[in-house]
Amino acid sequence: EVQLVESGGGLVQPGGSLRLSCAASGFTFSSYWMHWVRQAPGKGLVWVSRINSDGSSTSYADSVKGRFTISRDNAKNTLYLQMNSLRAEDTAVYYCARDMTTVRAVDYWGQGTLVTVSS
Amino acid sequence: SYVLTQPPSVSVAPGQTARITCGGNNIGSKSVHWYQQKPGQAPVLVVYDDSDRPSGIPERFSGSNSGNTATLTISRVEAGDEADYYCQVWDSSSDQGVFGGGTKLTVL
Repeated sequence: EVQLVESGGGLVQPGGSLRLSCAASGFTFSSYWMHWVRQAPGKGLVWVSRINSDGSSTSYADSVKGRFTISRDNAKNTLYLQMNSLRAEDTAVYYCARDMTTVRAVDYWGQGTLVTVSS
Repeated sequence: SYVLTQPPSVSVAPGQTARITCGGNNIGSKSVHWYQQKPGQAPVLVVYDDSDRPSGIPERFSGSNSGNTATLTISRVEAGDEADYYCQVWDSSSDQGVFGGGTKLTVL
């Protein structure tokens, strides 16, 4: 059974940093691209970032480029999102998501972790 | 950047057919995916690559894509279909994912 379990969310002050983790199990993690998707309270889904299977290629939404860094450790089956210079508008539930591979869709999602940026 | 436009809400009576649209410039040339999200839950993929269904998704869910509009069709709507629905594409020119704003489906 595919499982994605996020951790690392919490309350952080504006300008602060936070690192999210996503522990993957039930599939060959090193074979799949992965994504982070976020959802502000009461709002819609927003794609944040993606990383290819070996970590050599990444891309980001314009709103987080230069502030967030996606990475992975295939030996630990773990995906990361390092978030720096956090702003109030980064407040959201952050979902870890697996790419389908055949098409750039998400076939499995984690349960999400809440990040709150507030003083 | 590429923009996807969805109606904020769609209402339908049980047993009827719901159609949720997703507009985008020449979206017919892209592969469109649809997600269902119920309150407090993670999204679930219901249609991918315009019209394919993941295993476990009822045949009542179908999709189409042509021109500037993609459509998710839910036949014989049930109370349990009440949820938010999001369309999504990959913008290869910017190498970014794009979601529509979401449509709240209300079953009357």
